[in-house]
Amino acid sequence: GAGVSQSPRYKVAKRGQDVALRCDPISGHVSLFWYQQALGQGPEFLTYFQNEAQLDKSGLPSDRFFAERPEGSVSTLKIQRTQQEDSAVYLCASSFSRGPGQNYGYTFGSGTRLTVV
Amino acid sequence: DQQVKQNSPSLSVQEGRISILNCDYTNSMFDYFLWYKKYPAEGPTFLISISSIKDKNEDGRFTVFLNKSAKHLSLHIVPSQPGDSAVYFCAASAYTSGTYKYIFGTGTRLKVLA
Repeated sequence: GAGVSQSPRYKVAKRGQDVALRCDPISGHVSLFWYQQALGQGPEFLTYFQNEAQLDKSGLPSDRFFAERPEGSVSTLKIQRTQQEDSAVYLCASSFSRGPGQNYGYTFGSGTRLTVV
Repeated sequence: DQQVKQNSPSLSVQEGRISILNCDYTNSMFDYFLWYKKYPAEGPTFLISISSIKDKNEDGRFTVFLNKSAKHLSLHIVPSQPGDSAVYFCAASAYTSGTYKYIFGTGTRLKVLA
């Protein structure tokens, strides 16, 4: 597609419920990122994929958070046993950058707003 | 430890005047900087970038200035228009783990008054 597509746009989950958030990046973009944006804050890095390889997951806040990109295109961010503090907008971004000196920035999706009640 | 700081949470400017948004960073390894603009209920959209080998980059009404010794960058919008009203994030990156990983500031909400 022309842009980064995320679904669902909005998700309300009961505390303790598992959720799965989907990201469909721009075709051909090898790098895919997940960010978490709390209200009034900037996006905070969660994890990064280069093709299907998860090269950096240093930002995942707990082992309840899990991300995958099995075929190097679509990615899913899963949150198990959701807590109220997980309420945020989850942004996915993709990038064409392939190496040092090739910095093209990110294209973001519109995000999924997760509310845990 | 916040590596990228935007100390002004909000800014109001009259239409036609200059808007100046500021950003400070602490990590001297950062070598590429971006500004993103965000409207409500949308993802951030890329606005303008600058690499550390430059001190200025212009694109139409938008100019980004980089002062490496002060670890400071700024975004100038001239002239400001009501449609520029949005939240602006600066982001800084260094090459790590095979990619450029961006660290974002907390944003500045710009309101351009007609």
